[in-house]
Amino acid sequence: RKEVEQDPGPFNVPEGATVAFNCTYSNSASQSFFWYRQDCRKEPKLLMSVYSSGNEDGRFTAQLNRASQYISLLIRDSKLSDSATYLCVGSYGGATNKLIFGTGTLLAVQP
Amino acid sequence: ETGVTQTPRHLVMGMTNKKSLKCEQHLGHNAMYWYKQSAKKPLELMFVYSLEERVENNSVPSRFSPECPNSSHLFLHLHTLQPEDSALYLCASSQDWWGQPNQPQHFGDGTRLSIL
Repeated sequence: RKEVEQDPGPFNVPEGATVAFNCTYSNSASQSFFWYRQDCRKEPKLLMSVYSSGNEDGRFTAQLNRASQYISLLIRDSKLSDSATYLCVGSYGGATNKLIFGTGTLLAVQP
Repeated sequence: ETGVTQTPRHLVMGMTNKKSLKCEQHLGHNAMYWYKQSAKKPLELMFVYSLEERVENNSVPSRFSPECPNSSHLFLHLHTLQPEDSALYLCASSQDWWGQPNQPQHFGDGTRLSIL
């Protein structure tokens, strides 16, 4: 079983749509969670951290459900520029900041 | 503009060549990382340096040799690579390796490596 599991997609959505990604993690000791965005042939960039209480940044909302061990990302009012791969990331647990990355979910926003 | 810079951006080399990848971070971070990213696979952690000391080596073959001369610079020396080593190599940094949670890692642009 993958430590961080995501639906690879692609998710093809029209501009203006709301789209949600889910991610599950297997390590209950994981403390920190993040969503990264990776454009084609570019480096991953931090989109947002994910906190237990959930957090929102503009059109983006992240939620963490520790009981069910899943993380979600909601994107409202999708823009063409949102097209990218979204990486779900969890910490390995323990005393270090080792991160475990999912394979990513590809989003394609259509005009 | 990224606070982590990598050179070269692209590298094509033969299996017998020796080359080095360079990473520099301008963020004042104490931890630096090398990752390998292959198509349709998650990022694979290769090495971690904390305060210039190697603290993690994820069973990486010896044909990859990291070097961290100071807290801002990280190298990956390559020698006698195999075709399956062709991938995107990413450098990252974070404030610390030990301790506080919720420390994101910041990535460089990566070096796209092709082995002939």
